[in-house]
Amino acid sequence: GQQVMQIPQYQHVQEGEDFTTYCNSSTTLSNIQWYKQRPGGHPVFLIQLVKSGEVKKQKRLTFQFGEAKKNSSLHITATQTTDVGTYFCAGRSFGNEKLTFGTGTRLTIIP
Amino acid sequence: SQTIHQWPATLVQPVGSPLSLECTVEGTSNPNLYWYRQAAGRGLQLLFYSVGIGQISSEVPQNLSASRPQDRQFILSSKKLLLSDSGFYLCAWSVGGLGLILENEQFFGPGTRLTVL
Repeated sequence: GQQVMQIPQYQHVQEGEDFTTYCNSSTTLSNIQWYKQRPGGHPVFLIQLVKSGEVKKQKRLTFQFGEAKKNSSLHITATQTTDVGTYFCAGRSFGNEKLTFGTGTRLTIIP
Repeated sequence: SQTIHQWPATLVQPVGSPLSLECTVEGTSNPNLYWYRQAAGRGLQLLFYSVGIGQISSEVPQNLSASRPQDRQFILSSKKLLLSDSGFYLCAWSVGGLGLILENEQFFGPGTRLTVL
């Protein structure tokens, strides 16, 4: 079945440093979504990428979808304490009606 | 606007006891509904999803079951809980229609934290 892996599993950064999480799928994806889950909270949708090589930005967050549509990344520039949480990618394969969530990357910020 | 409710927020149950978690969505019709489980510090595992009343698809064989008695109501149940059933249970919905699951974002409820002792 489809598998979606994320690396790293954990990341500790000093406030102000950059952060990147990588998402890799075992199958080609029709689209990929990113979610953020604050500690003790529930996942909240951030963005969806559909096109090969697509890049989208939300303020300090940059999302990329690979050319082969099998990988994606989320980059945060100049992290802030509000960025703390676990970031999940979630991908859907062609012809598959389910969304498969990645294993997540937990980000902690050192003030 | 749409809202999704889950209850209870927390639950402590003994091994072997039954379980019933309820999820309701307001402000939308014919949503796709999902049950996920998240073990402590882990990712999201899809348990069940539904595209309509009475239509349930199971992802993982287990001692849990799901039902959708009404369009916007999704229930997760167990007859006898196991220790391994402990976790954070999340209900989610996405825009549905005509039995197709569209490529839309999922909206999560606040979750139920279940501890089985």
